[in-house]
Amino acid sequence: SQQGEEDPQALSIQEGENATMNCSYKTSINNLQWYRQNSGRGLVHLILIRSNEREKHSGRLRVTLDTSKKSSSLLITASRAADTASYFCATDDDDMRFGAGTRLTVKP
Amino acid sequence: GAGVSQSPRYKVAKRGQDVALRCDPISGHVSLFWYQQALGQGPEFLTYFQNEAQLDKSGLPSDRFFAERPEGSVSTLKIQRTQQEDSAVYLCASSLVVGGFTDTQYFGPGTRLTVL
Repeated sequence: SQQGEEDPQALSIQEGENATMNCSYKTSINNLQWYRQNSGRGLVHLILIRSNEREKHSGRLRVTLDTSKKSSSLLITASRAADTASYFCATDDDDMRFGAGTRLTVKP
Repeated sequence: GAGVSQSPRYKVAKRGQDVALRCDPISGHVSLFWYQQALGQGPEFLTYFQNEAQLDKSGLPSDRFFAERPEGSVSTLKIQRTQQEDSAVYLCASSLVVGGFTDTQYFGPGTRLTVL
């Protein structure tokens, strides 16, 4: 069964805007990871945030983690058409569990 | 350097046929994972290897699913007597360290299995 739940399920924005995706989970975790998947491709790892971290940056990506609320957010700033993809959060309890993903469309 | 590769990329099987899906992880990666991804869903964990040892197979949906990694590198996921509900993309991932859930997993492109 899936643990992470991404929100929204789909997001459509204009190029240059920021995109925020949220992930909620149910059990305690050691870390939370965000992945990206282009249509028909495998997953690409974006960023890992550990349970003792609150915020992490990587280029145009910013991830926050609130363990008290069991939630994380992924912010993509200054979005580009090439950011169009599905984004998944994944948590580790006993196994790696992924959410259903947020489908992001960035219109040029 | 080569990433994780999977073959075949696409497989069409008739219901009842056996299939074998191959995963070539990144050289030297200790941990190997198989996931099943249904259309429009996130990947679901199937099984995990540490070198040649299958440490967790709790996600395998039935005893028709079998995975092996005999020499601690290449892995094969076998599905016997395929059913239509087995249609999905099967993703393989590898990770450098032991217990790779806490480390970056590198995913292959997946094998899309369609059972008719």
